[in-house]
Amino acid sequence: AQKITQTQPGMFVQEKEAVTLDCTYDTSDPSYGLFWYKQPSSGEMIFLIYQGSYDQQNATEGRYSLNFQKARKSANLVISASQLGDSAMYFCAMRDHYTGANSKLTFGKGITLSVRP
Amino acid sequence: KAGVTQTPRYLIKTRGQQVTLSCSPISGHRSVSWYQQTPGQGLQFLFEYFSETQRNKGNFPGRFSGRQFSNSRSEMNVSTLELGDSALYLCASRSSGLQETQYFGPGTRLLVL
Repeated sequence: AQKITQTQPGMFVQEKEAVTLDCTYDTSDPSYGLFWYKQPSSGEMIFLIYQGSYDQQNATEGRYSLNFQKARKSANLVISASQLGDSAMYFCAMRDHYTGANSKLTFGKGITLSVRP
Repeated sequence: KAGVTQTPRYLIKTRGQQVTLSCSPISGHRSVSWYQQTPGQGLQFLFEYFSETQRNKGNFPGRFSGRQFSNSRSEMNVSTLELGDSALYLCASRSSGLQETQYFGPGTRLLVL
């Protein structure tokens, strides 16, 4: 069974500084995808970044980058130059590719990030 | 392209009633998935529909059901509502292909009294 672990209860970062949000995962499937989503207080889940298990390079999307360490089964999100609008809940999620086009995402419990001015 | 839309955004029901939530996916997306989010259980997968067929189902009782129409719009229904059904219900759509991302709608907040 798949499992996503996010153990940081809450994170604080000063505006304009970088922050790393931790995510470890467990799966027996050789092919899978890892996602990070942001959920502001409004509730909508906003897609941030995707990493495939066979991707050779770490994914980057603007201020977001994913520190993917396959052997350690970790997929940490790095946000550079934090902004006040980054304050939100962040979820790590995984989808296995073994079952073909299955869309099911398994989510972690999330991490609350607060950006201080 | 318009994003995923969900209606209604907020809903208050009483125990025993039933409710229907609607989701319109991004144009061209044929897969629609539903998730329930509660403070206690977090985000849990309900089911997925693709081309009007349920392709996958989470571990929820039969009171939770869904369907998808030929235009890919989807509805989910919860019958005989319980207090524990109070949650944020999120719908997500995805294009085909293994690496395609799911995009979520704003959600429907359901409160059962």
